[in-house]
Amino acid sequence: RKEVEQDPGPFNVPEGATVAFNCTYSNSASQSFFWYRQDCRKEPKLLMSVYSSGNEDGRFTAQLNRASQYISLLIRDSKLSDSATYLCVVNTARGSNYQLIWGAGTKLIIKP
Amino acid sequence: EAQVTQNPRYLITVTGKKLTVTCSQNMNHEYMSWYRQDPGLGLRQIYYSMNVEVTDKGDVPEGYKVSRKEKRNFPLILESPSPNQTSLYFCASSLRGTSYNEQFFGPGTRLTVL
Repeated sequence: RKEVEQDPGPFNVPEGATVAFNCTYSNSASQSFFWYRQDCRKEPKLLMSVYSSGNEDGRFTAQLNRASQYISLLIRDSKLSDSATYLCVVNTARGSNYQLIWGAGTKLIIKP
Repeated sequence: EAQVTQNPRYLITVTGKKLTVTCSQNMNHEYMSWYRQDPGLGLRQIYYSMNVEVTDKGDVPEGYKVSRKEKRNFPLILESPSPNQTSLYFCASSLRGTSYNEQFFGPGTRLTVL
């Protein structure tokens, strides 16, 4: 089982709709969580960190559920420009260090 | 402009021919790392460096070498490339190697080993 798992999609969603996807992680000692966005053949860029209390940034809402070990990303009023792959990242203890463990990504396609 | 640069962006080479992919950042970041990205597998860390002269193996270090002689540069060396090293490579940096620092990525190097 992968340490960080995501539904690869693609999620095909009409413009203006709300879409949500989850990411599960296996290590209960994981400390911090992030969503990155990656456009086709480009580098990943930080979308938002995920805080225990949940956080919102405009149309984007991230939630953390430690009990069930998953994080979620909700996108409201989706735009064509939201089409991308969304990468879930979990920071997990490795001995005395931390290591970022990356999910394989969920592909989102917003259709006009 | 704050950035991470990688060169070359695209490279086609043959098995066994040594190559180096350069990575440089101008943000005075302490932490740098190399990833490879393959379909369905996500980003996998090859090597990382907490600071100058401090490097350590990531999850998939076999067949790669790195060095960190200066803070800004972190080259990736493939001494004898093989076809299974065909991949998309990203260099990344962050202020510190701690839990909460945003990773800044270079534009990627697409490597094909024939």
